[in-house]
Amino acid sequence: GNSVTQMEGPVTLSEEAFLTINCTYTATGYPSLFWYVQYPGEGLQLLLKATKADDKGSNKGFEATYRKETTSFHLEKGSVQVSDSAVYFCAFSWGKLQFGAGTQVVVTP
Amino acid sequence: KAGVTQTPRYLIKTRGQQVTLSCSPISGHRSVSWYQQTPGQGLQFLFEYFSETQRNKGNFPGRFSGRQFSNSRSEMNVSTLELGDSALYLCASSYRDFRRGEQYFGPGTRLTVT
Repeated sequence: GNSVTQMEGPVTLSEEAFLTINCTYTATGYPSLFWYVQYPGEGLQLLLKATKADDKGSNKGFEATYRKETTSFHLEKGSVQVSDSAVYFCAFSWGKLQFGAGTQVVVTP
Repeated sequence: KAGVTQTPRYLIKTRGQQVTLSCSPISGHRSVSWYQQTPGQGLQFLFEYFSETQRNKGNFPGRFSGRQFSNSRSEMNVSTLELGDSALYLCASSYRDFRRGEQYFGPGTRLTVT
């Protein structure tokens, strides 16, 4: 069946380090792909999205490219800040919106 | 524009009781979805309402039900609560098809069942 797999956390980084969170999906067809972020004590916020192959979504310094050949949508940021500490969810929509398990990111000063 | 609001924010109930959670979407949004978030199962889709009709449903027992009013506000009801129902319940609204992913989430209602 359809599923989303993302790397387990927590991922602990120092400020200004490079962040990558891997996400792969299994689905029939070509779903739209999303990254959501959940800050402590809050609901989820849409971070970025891509709706077709080779699309690159970007927001707040984060980027992710829809790779059809590898069915992946890895999230990257070149220089993280303490304020980026949150849980990041990869998701895709194909019939319904399906989320990955979430990856906690902890950025230390 | 006001965001999605959920009430109450925290709730403690006893096993066997029932509970009703409320969600007010962003003004103009007609789609409201509900999710259950737990450490073990992650985010799981409960159901989606659009213009007062349930349009999609996840794999939850019939104890979980919902409805949507003409002003797009939605309520979720859980009857005969079980310990495993303890979770953060998130509501999300969108202007059109929720599957496009452009959903706006509320802060959630933290339900604890004892």
